[in-house]
Amino acid sequence: EDQVTQSPEALRLQEGESSSLNCSYTVSGLRGLFWYRQDPGKGPEFLFTLYSAGEEKEKERLKATLTKKESFLHITAPKPEDSATYLCAVRANTDKLIFGTGTRLQVFP
Amino acid sequence: SQTIHQWPATLVQPVGSPLSLECTVEGTSNPNLYWYRQAAGRGLQLLFYSVGIGQISSEVPQNLSASRPQDRQFILSSKKLLLSDSGFYLCAWSVSGQGVEKLFFGSGTQLSVL
Repeated sequence: EDQVTQSPEALRLQEGESSSLNCSYTVSGLRGLFWYRQDPGKGPEFLFTLYSAGEEKEKERLKATLTKKESFLHITAPKPEDSATYLCAVRANTDKLIFGTGTRLQVFP
Repeated sequence: SQTIHQWPATLVQPVGSPLSLECTVEGTSNPNLYWYRQAAGRGLQLLFYSVGIGQISSEVPQNLSASRPQDRQFILSSKKLLLSDSGFYLCAWSVSGQGVEKLFFGSGTQLSVL
């Protein structure tokens, strides 16, 4: 069965303390992996698409990487405004889009 | 540029009352449109998607229905709400890149059924 698992469920960081969020997946052929940021009470905001193992994308303090089994969202020197829930989603060969349950990130000054 | 509008932002409805949530997309033609529901601590659940006017596919049997009366308008409805219909409802549209669709979401509607 196609599955996407995100860890940890919640992460508390001090401002400037770098860390990584994990998205592991088991799908029948990966067509694309997506990262979104969601603020409380808002819709998810698109961040990155990764298509193949070894690919990397960067945006400000965020960097997404992809292997054959998982993706990491690295946050370098986070700021309080990076606090949000980060969602991972995988598009499988079946064309289904499967979302993880997200990692809730809190960055404290 | 493309934008998606979804309203209302919050809604409190009694059990048994009807529901109508509306979503419109600007800046694109013939988009694929989606309705998702997000429950606390759970991943986004696809409810309906549409590839064109009058074309609706349902992913999960439920108390809800969807309609697409115009190219860029998508409506989520219910004749009689249940307590279990409470949740955060998201409309989305998609664009294809490198042969893979990616979704862009509206701001969501928090529905509370009491």
